[in-house]
Amino acid sequence: DSGVTQTPKHLITATGQRVTLRCSPRSGDLSVYWYQQSLDQGLQFLIQYYNGEERAKGNILERFSAQQFPDLHSELNLSSLELGDSALYFCASSPAVVGYGYTFGSGTRLTVV
Amino acid sequence: AQSVAQPEDQVNVAEGNPLTVKCTYSVSGNPYLFWYVQYPNRGLQFLLKYITGDNLVKGSYGFEAEFNKSQTSFHLKKPSALVSDSALYFCAVRDRTGTASKLTFGTGTRLQVTL
Repeated sequence: DSGVTQTPKHLITATGQRVTLRCSPRSGDLSVYWYQQSLDQGLQFLIQYYNGEERAKGNILERFSAQQFPDLHSELNLSSLELGDSALYFCASSPAVVGYGYTFGSGTRLTVV
Repeated sequence: AQSVAQPEDQVNVAEGNPLTVKCTYSVSGNPYLFWYVQYPNRGLQFLLKYITGDNLVKGSYGFEAEFNKSQTSFHLKKPSALVSDSALYFCAVRDRTGTASKLTFGTGTRLQVTL
């Protein structure tokens, strides 16, 4: 157990729907990062939050949004889902903004049918 | 912009033989470099990192990596491979400049160790 908790582990939903993925960072970590892993795109950075504030944005679609709450857990919201959004979504955390490395959760596998 | 290249999609090695997984990077300044491993249906697990100091970094499970600034490389090595080392390996880089701590990952190299 890495200390980073992601729920749910698996999610199957239909095109056009909206889902929420949840991440609880490792105790003491203030930064949360979201990554998407798909077969053809590799590991793509989506967004970073630090202590509730957005710090960096990557290749995140406008249909996707995220937030970090006062208790430091984070949620990634995916809406108007398309077949191509099927992927593994990973959350990672680190102690500070300028962290040396990440601790990853085990991921949420999203399948859009 | 920072980037990482892993030129090999797959590396095949026999158990007991040495292994090398290649990684080259590009950053505007000095890098922080990392290796992660991913087993099937699992998250990425940290193996080792280069921050500063000795160019040869030792990590988990007997792995090590050598930082070569002139060749902008950070190859992962192990003297004697095990079947249980079979997994997907990712190299990652972070630029030391600025305050963002985003890691940029390579596309991954699948290591297959056979008996």
